Amino acid sequence: DVKVTQSSRYLVKRTGEKVFLECVQDMDHENMFWYRQDPGLGLRLIYFSYDVKMKEKGDIPEGYSVSREKKERFSLILESASTNQTSMYLCASSSPDSNQPQHFGDGTRLSIL
Amino acid sequence: QKEVEQNSGPLSVPEGAIASLNCTYSDRGSQSFFWYRQYSGKSPELIMFIYSNGDKEDGRFTAQLNKASQYVSLLIRDSQPSDSATYLCATEYGNKLVFGAGTILRVKS
Repeated sequence: DVKVTQSSRYLVKRTGEKVFLECVQDMDHENMFWYRQDPGLGLRLIYFSYDVKMKEKGDIPEGYSVSREKKERFSLILESASTNQTSMYLCASSSPDSNQPQHFGDGTRLSIL
Repeated sequence: QKEVEQNSGPLSVPEGAIASLNCTYSDRGSQSFFWYRQYSGKSPELIMFIYSNGDKEDGRFTAQLNKASQYVSLLIRDSQPSDSATYLCATEYGNKLVFGAGTILRVKS
């Protein structure tokens, strides 16, 4: 079974802090993704990576950056956290082959005070 | 802009009934479709995927794809209260998935 592990289930930070969300997968997947999910807005893609040190912006990259130094690990960074970044953050991974599903971690519920 | 549309619901069905969840998509070139189930406060989990026109059955779940009409549906037979969740439809776009906003299903006992 694919295992995608996010470092924290719940996290509370203060406005202006630099926040790191970590994600590790154990299936040797090339593709990794970061989403945020808000009520009524569904899943929105922040960034994704299709290889080590490669990254591409998703639909809502503003205020975020990412790091992929190792294949199994994909980090999301909030450079200066703001209250509108309070959300559920979901990491996913997938094989690069066509028609492959994404597998999600348990999510991190982040609150910015 | 690739779009996937779902009725947000909630869709309420009695226990034992068939629940029918629908999804339409804008890109006629979309090839693969995925249904995820998400319980409140949890992450999405894959239920089914379908690539070919027609029906695909897996236990109580049937996915139906009609590429000519650009819709995909999920039928849940013998609905149980444990099926109450949000169901997300997604289609592949390059290496990414485009998700609908999800349909809330409530199965009443």
